[in-house]
Amino acid sequence: SSELTQDPAVSVALGQTVRITCQGDSLRSYYASWYQQKPGQAPVLVIYGKNNRPSGIPDRFSGSSSGNTASLTITGAQAEDEADYYCNSRDSSGNHHVVFGGGTKLTVL
Amino acid sequence: EVQLVESGGGLVQPGGSLRLSCAASGFTFSSYSMNWVRQAPGKGLEWVSYISSSSSTIYYADSVKGRFTISRDNAKNSLYLQMNSLRAEDTAVYYCARDFVPASEWLGYDYWGQGTLVTVSS
Repeated sequence: SSELTQDPAVSVALGQTVRITCQGDSLRSYYASWYQQKPGQAPVLVIYGKNNRPSGIPDRFSGSSSGNTASLTITGAQAEDEADYYCNSRDSSGNHHVVFGGGTKLTVL
Repeated sequence: EVQLVESGGGLVQPGGSLRLSCAASGFTFSSYSMNWVRQAPGKGLEWVSYISSSSSTIYYADSVKGRFTISRDNAKNSLYLQMNSLRAEDTAVYYCARDFVPASEWLGYDYWGQGTLVTVSS
């Protein structure tokens, strides 16, 4: 089955821009979706498709993709953006399974 | 307002069984495919199982295939996960999550429940 790889931890200064990446072969065929998870809470979808935000997600969140890498960019990070971020996509093995990245812990300094 | 509320978690001994439920409201449950996703303590998310809107298509992660059974009752707006032969490594928070399929393309999970904790321990 496919795998998605994320950096375990990333930090950003308050108000600066940070990019969180997700790598995997399945991303050559399928879009990544991105989720934000704060401690003790359920994940929340923040980016889906080419670069779409669900209602209520601030426009400082954006997504992009190139080859086998998908990226989540936060432009002007806020303290409330400190969270774990996960990517996921369809498994490209043809088994209709879904794969998640290992998650990236974002610290806002 | 879309709501997904899981229940049925608890402490169970290795080899035991547990049935999780997910009560859905605020949307036409029978029109959506649903999933179970789990998260072991301090770990990442892991997809567990998928069921289509009519129950005609079901998938399982290799880690649970043959031990877990997903089902749904559209008349009761409910999703279930029957978990048998439980192992310590099944210890996790189990979330139900709704498929997000705008324009017939799967694009993730747009709503999640708050999760229910399953602990497998003697």
